Amino acid sequence: GAVVSQHPSWVICKSGTSVKIECRSLDFQATTMFWYRQFPKQSLMLMATSNEGSKATYEQGVEKDKFLINHASLTLSTLTVTSAHPEDSSFYICSARVGPGEVQPQHFGDGTRLSIL
Amino acid sequence: GQNIDQPTEMTATEGAIVQINCTYQTSGFNGLFWYQQHAGEAPTFLSYNVLDGLEEKGRFSSFLSRSKGYSYLLLKELQMKDSASYLCAVMDSNYQLIWGAGTKLIIKP
Repeated sequence: GAVVSQHPSWVICKSGTSVKIECRSLDFQATTMFWYRQFPKQSLMLMATSNEGSKATYEQGVEKDKFLINHASLTLSTLTVTSAHPEDSSFYICSARVGPGEVQPQHFGDGTRLSIL
Repeated sequence: GQNIDQPTEMTATEGAIVQINCTYQTSGFNGLFWYQQHAGEAPTFLSYNVLDGLEEKGRFSSFLSRSKGYSYLLLKELQMKDSASYLCAVMDSNYQLIWGAGTKLIIKP
């Protein structure tokens, strides 16, 4: 089955640090990947859509200069949280569509739990 | 606006059957997805419906009525491991996934 690998799974760091999260599709090519954020007991919130070889599309209210997304290859997208602060602490999850066409289920990575002290 | 409604929480007994409903109002429709999310973990894909009717997959079934903007996820022979949140998501005309807030299912012995 389709496997999406996300790394690291847990990050604890000081305020002001930049944190990079990697999302890889292990057994398929993903032209589109998605980055979500989920606060405790809340719904998934789409942050941005990452397109291979082009700029990411950010959702309203998401600061693109703070959440840098790079999708340099068909199997890797990265999210960098720049100068992270305690309010950025959250569960960040990436996903990728499997197969061609837009009407495909998204398969999720295991998520990254980010805690900023 | 676009809206997905599902109950916040449901409780059921081990071995029983439970139905989780989802109603939606979206700009266009390209299918409805159900995902399972255990606490502290990422969602996992359960089912996809784009045509009216029932799709059965083992103990889980998903139903869709496009005219009513309604779907349900049916879980049979409930097991303790089924305790999780169940997320309903609709793909709109722009192929954007609109997510419901999820239904937390509690299974009691």
